[in-house]
Amino acid sequence: DVKVTQSSRYLVKRTGEKVFLECVQDMDHENMFWYRQDPGLGLRLIYFSYDVKMKEKGDIPEGYSVSREKKERFSLILESASTNQTSMYLCASTAGGRPPYEQYFGPGTRLTVT
Amino acid sequence: AQTVTQSQPEMSVQEAETVTLSCTYDTSESDYYLFWYKQPPSRQMILVIRQEAYKQQNATENRFSVNFQKAAKSFSLKISDSQLGDAAMYFCAYNQGAQKLVFGQGTRLTINP
Repeated sequence: DVKVTQSSRYLVKRTGEKVFLECVQDMDHENMFWYRQDPGLGLRLIYFSYDVKMKEKGDIPEGYSVSREKKERFSLILESASTNQTSMYLCASTAGGRPPYEQYFGPGTRLTVT
Repeated sequence: AQTVTQSQPEMSVQEAETVTLSCTYDTSESDYYLFWYKQPPSRQMILVIRQEAYKQQNATENRFSVNFQKAAKSFSLKISDSQLGDAAMYFCAYNQGAQKLVFGQGTRLTINP
């Protein structure tokens, strides 16, 4: 089974702090994604990566950056956390090649910025 | 841009009954994929069922089935013989070729014993 893990289930940070959210997948997937989940808004794509050291902006990249130095690991960085970044963050991965591209999700990190 | 709409923020059903969750989407493409994902409370999101747009036959997975109406751009999920373990957030998602998914707003399903 594909396993996607995230470094923390719950995280509390202060405004202005630099925050790192880590995601690791163990199935050699090419593609990795970061979403934020908010009530009534569903999942919105922040950034995704098709390969090591590659990244592309999603729908809501402002205030975020990412890093993918190794194929299995995809990090989301909040350079200066703000209260409006309080949310649930979900990581996902999917294999490349032919569709359909079923995405496999991590358990999520609930981030609170105070 | 493609959009996915789930118009029912919350639904409830009695245990053992049948419930249908609605989803509509907007696209100008003819070849795409649709998914229903389930997110149980405090647990990981998992795939429930998927449908290829080029297939006319509706997908089924045990107690879960879809009603795919391509012309109407509608993709509803039917859960038969509802069980307590079906309680979750359900998300409809659209995928057209590229690896990205576009998600709907979600429907919270409650199962009443």
